[in-house]
Amino acid sequence: GAVVSQHPSWVICKSGTSVKIECRSLDFQATTMFWYRQFPKQSLMLMATSNEGSKATYEQGVEKDKFLINHASLTLSTLTVTSAHPEDSSFYICSAGGASLDTQYFGPGTRLTVL
Amino acid sequence: AQSVTQLDSHVSVSEGTPVLLRCNYSSSYSPSLFWYVQHPNKGLQLLLKYTSAATLVKGINGFEAEFKKSETSFHLTKPSAHMSDAAEYFCVVNPSGTYKYIFGTGTRLKVLA
Repeated sequence: GAVVSQHPSWVICKSGTSVKIECRSLDFQATTMFWYRQFPKQSLMLMATSNEGSKATYEQGVEKDKFLINHASLTLSTLTVTSAHPEDSSFYICSAGGASLDTQYFGPGTRLTVL
Repeated sequence: AQSVTQLDSHVSVSEGTPVLLRCNYSSSYSPSLFWYVQHPNKGLQLLLKYTSAATLVKGINGFEAEFKKSETSFHLTKPSAHMSDAAEYFCVVNPSGTYKYIFGTGTRLKVLA
């Protein structure tokens, strides 16, 4: 149980285009989902917290207009990187909060490369 | 303020020998503590978690961790390393009453043949 999927697993795009990443909880309902960014050989950095049916809460320094988050249902959250630039290239990981919310279940990650 | 310190950025062990990955935490409340493992280009997999029940927590793949409040530590151990254990390991604290994870900086485990 507690499986989280992400799609796509990797994406390459041109500078200036937008990219959408999906995060799904497959066998449980997630009222809260989290989006992280991970640079090579570094720890995970929380970007935003997404609650179903409400606006996401962004961490300090994260541009909400650049990283659009939509949590449309209890099993789906999306992250859209708008007008992507090479510095947005990174590994993006989502997680979903279980019933107790003290445990997060992580997706396999999406590798974004912006040319 | 809450924080997590992983004392070693890299650990190398020989296959079949014990593994010790060290983690110290700072929390004002009674926290939940976790260890996650990340293989290259993969997401994080939960190894084990402590939530104020037994202080010795057994996880998957033969890993276990002991919560020591007096030392504010939550070290991860395994009696015998396997080649497949080579990965990045993250110690995480979730302060009581919150949903936010605080990550350690990670320990890269290398297993030598």
